[in-house]
Amino acid sequence: QSALTQPASVSGSPGQSITIPCTGTTSDVGAHNFVSWYQQHPGKAPKLIIYEVSARPSGVSNRFSGSKSGNTASLTISGLQPEDEADYYCNSYGVTGLFGGGTKLTV
Amino acid sequence: VQLVESGGTLVQPGGSLRVSCAASGFTFSNYWMDWLRQAPGKGLEWVAIIDTDGTKIAYADSVKGRFTISRDNTENSLYLQMSSLRADDTAVYYCARNRGFNSYDNWGPGTLVTVAS
Repeated sequence: QSALTQPASVSGSPGQSITIPCTGTTSDVGAHNFVSWYQQHPGKAPKLIIYEVSARPSGVSNRFSGSKSGNTASLTISGLQPEDEADYYCNSYGVTGLFGGGTKLTV
Repeated sequence: VQLVESGGTLVQPGGSLRVSCAASGFTFSNYWMDWLRQAPGKGLEWVAIIDTDGTKIAYADSVKGRFTISRDNTENSLYLQMSSLRADDTAVYYCARNRGFNSYDNWGPGTLVTVAS
């Protein structure tokens, strides 16, 4: 099973917006609307921040938003804050256990 | 909702180990559960999934035939029995609640398994 493709790193300044893409195939990301995103700070467990492409769990800031076009899902973080500096992972329903390789966000 | 893993330790190559996950704060028997892992400095890797009553199970190719996932709904516990351990099994092992369609809405803090001589 192949991992979803994410850039290794992205960066932005406080207050700016950034977008992290997650590219899959017609068999996973492009086949349905079950893409999730997770935020992981160093030494901590991942935290679900987006599910079903664009839905936010209760308590997650509305600065986090998700979208999808074709085989690529995207996570956008607006109004960047220092605490947003973390690793971000996407995953997709489809082939069991499909995760992206992770993107390190530097603020 | 709380998930707490335990049992991680240093084990020799070829050895066996069982890690556990204690669940509380929700109706454990209503949820599919997964084990995932993260090797030092690496990304997330899905390991195994089990359905609500333990009849449907699947494993990553990397652990198939060596790892066994199980659950005890009377004890609100999830288990991962690992055997024939290799150095590349070294990782933090997380249990996670599957909210459906392989989306994980609650994770434990993880337990570190180190395979080394």
